[in-house]
Amino acid sequence: DVKVTQSSRYLVKRTGEKVFLECVQDMDHENMFWYRQDPGLGLRLIYFSYDVKMKEKGDIPEGYSVSREKKERFSLILESASTNQTSMYLCASSPGGGRQPQHFGDGTRLSIL
Amino acid sequence: GENVEQHPSTLSVQEGDSAVIKCTYSDSASNYFPWYKQELGKRPQLIIDIRSNVGEKKDQRIAVTLNKTAKHFSLHITETQPEDSAVYFCAASPGDSSASKIIFGSGTRLSIRP
Repeated sequence: DVKVTQSSRYLVKRTGEKVFLECVQDMDHENMFWYRQDPGLGLRLIYFSYDVKMKEKGDIPEGYSVSREKKERFSLILESASTNQTSMYLCASSPGGGRQPQHFGDGTRLSIL
Repeated sequence: GENVEQHPSTLSVQEGDSAVIKCTYSDSASNYFPWYKQELGKRPQLIIDIRSNVGEKKDQRIAVTLNKTAKHFSLHITETQPEDSAVYFCAASPGDSSASKIIFGSGTRLSIRP
C-alpha cells in the first residue's frame, strides 16, 4: 500500500518566518504534488514535480517554493510566512505516465500568527 | 487552463436514497476523471475513476458517468449509508499534462440523514 508521510500534522509559526513542510513517499513515484485546502475552494495546486530537481508551478505558486533533491522527498517552502498562508497543506504522489490516481498524505494544518 | 465546476456544494439525503453529484470541465482534451472522498479529519482517497474512452463505470453502490460531448461527468451513489457522509471531490486531468496533474472541483459535502 502506498504511504505518503507528511512531517507534521499541526504547525504554528509567526509571520515572516521561513517554513518548511516535508513530504516523503515510499512507492518510487515519479510525480509529487503540493496542494492547499481551504473551505469552499477545494484543493488548489501550488507546485508539482515530475522528476528529481524538476518542478512546475501550479495554480497558486506565489509566496511558495519547492525542492526535490531526492525522488522520495518533496519539500514545500514558505519563504516569508504570512497570515493568508494559514491553511491545510496536502502532499500527494502518483506514478509516471499520466492518467494515474494520486495518493495523499494526512495533511499539515499550518497556522501563521 | 482546465477549470472544473462542481455542484451542489452541499447535499443532504435520506439514508437509503440515492445521491448525485455533477461536475463540468472546460478542457476538451481532458482524458482522466477521478473522484475522491474525504472523511472528516482524514486524507482524500480515490473511490472511482473513469477514462475518456469509457462512458460509464460502476463499483458496487458507486457509479460514474461521462459525457465528453457536453463535458460533464457525474457521481451516483445508490442505497446511501451513514458511512457515505463525507466531502466528495471530482477532478479532471488536462490533456496536455504528462505528470498526472489534475484539477479539482470545489467539493460537495454529503450528509446522510438517518
